[in-house]
Amino acid sequence: ETGVTQSPTHLIKTRGQQVTLRCSSQSGHNTVSWYQQALGQGPQFIFQYYREEENGRGNFPPRFSGLQFPNYSSELNVNALELDDSALYLCASSPRGPNNSPLHFGNGTRLTVT
Amino acid sequence: QKEVEQNSGPLSVPEGAIASLNCTYSDRGSQSFFWYRQYSGKSPELIMSIYSNGDKEDGRFTAQLNKASQYVSLLIRDSQPSDSATYLCAVSRGGGADGLTFGKGTHLIIQP
Repeated sequence: ETGVTQSPTHLIKTRGQQVTLRCSSQSGHNTVSWYQQALGQGPQFIFQYYREEENGRGNFPPRFSGLQFPNYSSELNVNALELDDSALYLCASSPRGPNNSPLHFGNGTRLTVT
Repeated sequence: QKEVEQNSGPLSVPEGAIASLNCTYSDRGSQSFFWYRQYSGKSPELIMSIYSNGDKEDGRFTAQLNKASQYVSLLIRDSQPSDSATYLCAVSRGGGADGLTFGKGTHLIIQP
């Protein structure tokens, strides 16, 4: 049991739409990271939030954005959805700020874009 | 471009034997190394972390790190059918801002 919960579990959207995915961090964890895992690939780092500020970002366009709230829960927003955005979206939280702590992922949100 | 390479498999191992999974990485600045197990349709589950050269054992799992050769491996002793999954190698520079860089994973099949 990782303590990280994500919602919804599954989601189907149409190309061009916008989507918001949610993540509730494990208690006491003040850093949250988001990853995208396409079918047959390893997860790819989207971005990381620490104390409500983005403090690291992978190679993803600006239409991928996020928020972290004072209670350390987080949202991933994707605008202008494309077919290639279909993937499993993973959230992970870690304690004590950005460091070498191992990441424990939530169960993920599977997004399908048609 | 930071890369993590794994043989995609499938790697087929008889039940009870040792499964050996390998991973190489390109970024010499990498400081943290992780192995994740992922069952089909599920999210990755952390099984081992290693930060210094040498071996680290945890139950039936042993992680091995050689920074000079930029090589990480995972040994699974007494393999069980429940070990059948995709194993993902991940590396990080540390500090967290760069995130983890994952390989594509090795699909392991344990034959009963």
